[in-house]
Amino acid sequence: DAGVTQSPTHLIKTRGQQVTLRCSPKSGHDTVSWYQQALGQGPQFIFQYYEEEERQRGNFPDRFSGHQFPNYSSELNVNALLLGDSALYLCASSPWADSNTEAFFGQGTRLTVV
Amino acid sequence: QKEVEQDPGPLSVPEGAIVSLNCTYSNSAFQYFMWYRQYSRKGPELLMYTYSSGNKEDGRFTAQVDKSSKYISLFIRDSQPSDSATYLCAMSLAAGGSYIPTFGRGTSLIVHP
Repeated sequence: DAGVTQSPTHLIKTRGQQVTLRCSPKSGHDTVSWYQQALGQGPQFIFQYYEEEERQRGNFPDRFSGHQFPNYSSELNVNALLLGDSALYLCASSPWADSNTEAFFGQGTRLTVV
Repeated sequence: QKEVEQDPGPLSVPEGAIVSLNCTYSNSAFQYFMWYRQYSRKGPELLMYTYSSGNKEDGRFTAQVDKSSKYISLFIRDSQPSDSATYLCAMSLAAGGSYIPTFGRGTSLIVHP
């Protein structure tokens, strides 16, 4: 089992551009949550997907959007990138019923906006 | 005041020391308390979780919850250089998907040989 895989590992984008990050959940997991982690900070919840629907959303602007596919994989899209969007973006997968006690994180995507 | 407070450290200890990592919180409704370990340039890894009050032990790690004080701790016995990482606490109202965990900012631990 490959666990949670995220791609790409790193990327550099220019202010104003758009970016798509991808996440494949651990086998058997149906829930995907996305987090933003700034340097020296804890993960901040962006949104959560279950059954291909956004179930919960954190305090992030509409520039952040996502999708979940029938195979449970997920994408995070960020439009009109700002310098402040530079961070580590983490994907966590879990079973819906145990999303806090059985959560597995991917290695993250390091996004740098210049 | 943040909902979950965690001293960022760094906390530097010699190999073999007992390490105590702590978090305080303000929401008395939290029921699940998680500890994650995050190595540099990696995603967090769930170490253990505790439901409500009490202690839980797993090898060299012990998690402790004091709900009356809104204070949780993670103890690491016989610390090793490989324990050097950032330790994140997280808390939620319940275990299921409707409940999103709130994370602390993490404490950086350095165990030197």
